[in-house]
Amino acid sequence: GNSVTQMEGPVTLSEEAFLTINCTYTATGYPSLFWYVQYPGEGLQLLLKATKADDKGSNKGFEATYRKETTSFHLEKGSVQVSDSAVYFCALSETGGFKTIFGAGTRLFVKA
Amino acid sequence: DVKVTQSSRYLVKRTGEKVFLECVQDMDHENMFWYRQDPGLGLRLIYFSYDVKMKEKGDIPEGYSVSREKKERFSLILESASTNQTSMYLCASSSFESRGGKTQYFGPGTRLLVL
Repeated sequence: GNSVTQMEGPVTLSEEAFLTINCTYTATGYPSLFWYVQYPGEGLQLLLKATKADDKGSNKGFEATYRKETTSFHLEKGSVQVSDSAVYFCALSETGGFKTIFGAGTRLFVKA
Repeated sequence: DVKVTQSSRYLVKRTGEKVFLECVQDMDHENMFWYRQDPGLGLRLIYFSYDVKMKEKGDIPEGYSVSREKKERFSLILESASTNQTSMYLCASSSFESRGGKTQYFGPGTRLLVL
């Protein structure tokens, strides 16, 4: 079945460091791919998405490229801030289905 | 601004009580979902609904039921609460459109403690 695997956390970085959170997926068809972010005490919110191969999603300085050949959708940011501290979830939306499959989440701590 | 609201942010109940968690969305979305979130386990789907009065079991439906009498409202019911149902419960909605992927919109969550 469909699945999403993302790197385990927590990830701890200093402010202005480069961030990569790895995400790979297994899916039939052509899923859409997402990164959601959950700030402390809140629900998840969409960070960025890509709907087809080679698409790049971007938002708030974060980027991820839909790589079909490596079945990956890694999240990157060139310079993290303390306010980026949160849990990040990689997810895929099944082709022709209703459900979204979420990875386990990666907690990011950014130190000043 | 799109909005999904949940009836309570925090809830404390006793074992054996019947518990209702309410979720309302104002986006006219067809699909609604209930998840529970536990440390180390990510989000697990309990139930979802793709239309009024329609429901489908998710990955962990045991001990739960749902109700969707109106399009905007989706209720999660714990028939007889148990301590292993202590968790964060998240409601989400999405539209039926297939273009652009089915983005899910989440409520703030209800943290339930069963004593």
